[in-house]
Amino acid sequence: RKEVEQDPGPFNVPEGATVAFNCTYSNSASQSFFWYRQDCRKEPKLLMSVYSSGNEDGRFTAQLNRASQYISLLIRDSKLSDSATYLCVVQRKRGGKSTFGDGTTLTVKP
Amino acid sequence: GAGVSQSPSNKVTEKGKDVELRCDPISGHTALYWYRQSLGQGLEFLIYFQGNSAPDKSGLPSDRFSAERTGGSVSTLTIQRTQQEDSAVYLCASSLGWAGGSTDTQYFGPGTRLTVL
Repeated sequence: RKEVEQDPGPFNVPEGATVAFNCTYSNSASQSFFWYRQDCRKEPKLLMSVYSSGNEDGRFTAQLNRASQYISLLIRDSKLSDSATYLCVVQRKRGGKSTFGDGTTLTVKP
Repeated sequence: GAGVSQSPSNKVTEKGKDVELRCDPISGHTALYWYRQSLGQGLEFLIYFQGNSAPDKSGLPSDRFSAERTGGSVSTLTIQRTQQEDSAVYLCASSLGWAGGSTDTQYFGPGTRLTVL
């Protein structure tokens, strides 16, 4: 079993839709969690960290469920510019080695 | 400030040749990662350096691959006797590592696109 697993998609949604991605992790002792975004033929960039209490940044909401060992990313009011691959990242120890999921591809259509 | 830089940006080589890829991390970042990514695929972890600790080499696909990090800064990934399946984009990332704590962010370089003919 992979340490970090994501549904690869693709998710194809119309503009304005709400879409959610989940990511599961295998090590219950993992401590830090992140979502990164990767545009086609570009390097990944941090989208947001995921905090235990959940956190929101504009149209993006991240949640952590330690009991079920998954994190989620919710995107509201999707824009064409949200089309990208979203990568889930897990760290076993704060500031330690990070493990990336394979990513979920989102395409937002007009 | 300056981000992570990688060189060369593109490298075309013939099968069987050795190649060296360079990564200049952000100054002060103690953690450095190498990944590779084939077209349409996810990131494949190769190696992780953290400060003066022994590197985590668990992702290196074969003994043809090696990496070093000199003086805790610049890193070089070497691929010996390249094969066509080595063709991919090689990405380097750096982060504050232990100093970054729960907000430890990886900053990626633009990558080196390696093509083995």
